[in-house]
Amino acid sequence: QVQLQESGPGLVKPSETLSLTCTVSGASVSTIGYYWSWIRQPPGKGLEWIGYMYSSGSSDYNPSLRGRVVISLDKSKNQFSLKLGSVTAADTAVYYCARVTWPTKKFDFWGQGTLVTASP
Amino acid sequence: QSVLTQPPSVSAAPGQRVTISCSGSNSNIASNHVSWYQLVPGTAPKLLIYDNNKRPSDIPDRFSGSKSDTSATLGITGLQTGDEADYYCETWDDSLRAAVFGGGTKLTVL
Repeated sequence: QVQLQESGPGLVKPSETLSLTCTVSGASVSTIGYYWSWIRQPPGKGLEWIGYMYSSGSSDYNPSLRGRVVISLDKSKNQFSLKLGSVTAADTAVYYCARVTWPTKKFDFWGQGTLVTASP
Repeated sequence: QSVLTQPPSVSAAPGQRVTISCSGSNSNIASNHVSWYQLVPGTAPKLLIYDNNKRPSDIPDRFSGSKSDTSATLGITGLQTGDEADYYCETWDDSLRAAVFGGGTKLTVL
């Protein structure tokens, strides 16, 4: 069974960089046909796609966040990471990592999510 | 303001049937497959429907999906109290070049 688990600081100061890691078990981030994605949910709001990365190194990001966000893969650790720069209070959210199966583009396995608060 | 529009809430009695709508446009729903997800606080979101109307093997046939033009619908029959959750539709938007989600619908089983 595929499992994903987010980890990282729960508190980030405004203007600093949010960093999260997703550890994958039951699947390989190197496998062709899968993208590895981050999604977030601000308190009381809906889901927002952040971006995803393919095993080849290609990536795509939400235009609303492009320029502040980087997703990377660590194939040796079977992990992928999110870095979001210049955070503000608006970046406070539950952050989920997920696997995306191509070409159906379905988010078929998700982590439980981790709350990150941007606050002094 | 979400790109895809869902009703904020729906409710029905146990055993009844409920539908949740998802309205979009030519650049998203009309051009791409729709997926549906179930979110229960504190648990990993679950894929319910993909490719408009397909179910993963672990999802019971009480859950169904359909799509017509710029709208999609999730149907749940034989409602159970365990179905209480938030439900989200999702697809790709060709104009935004982004995956987009609906605003979510809270299902209450009375």
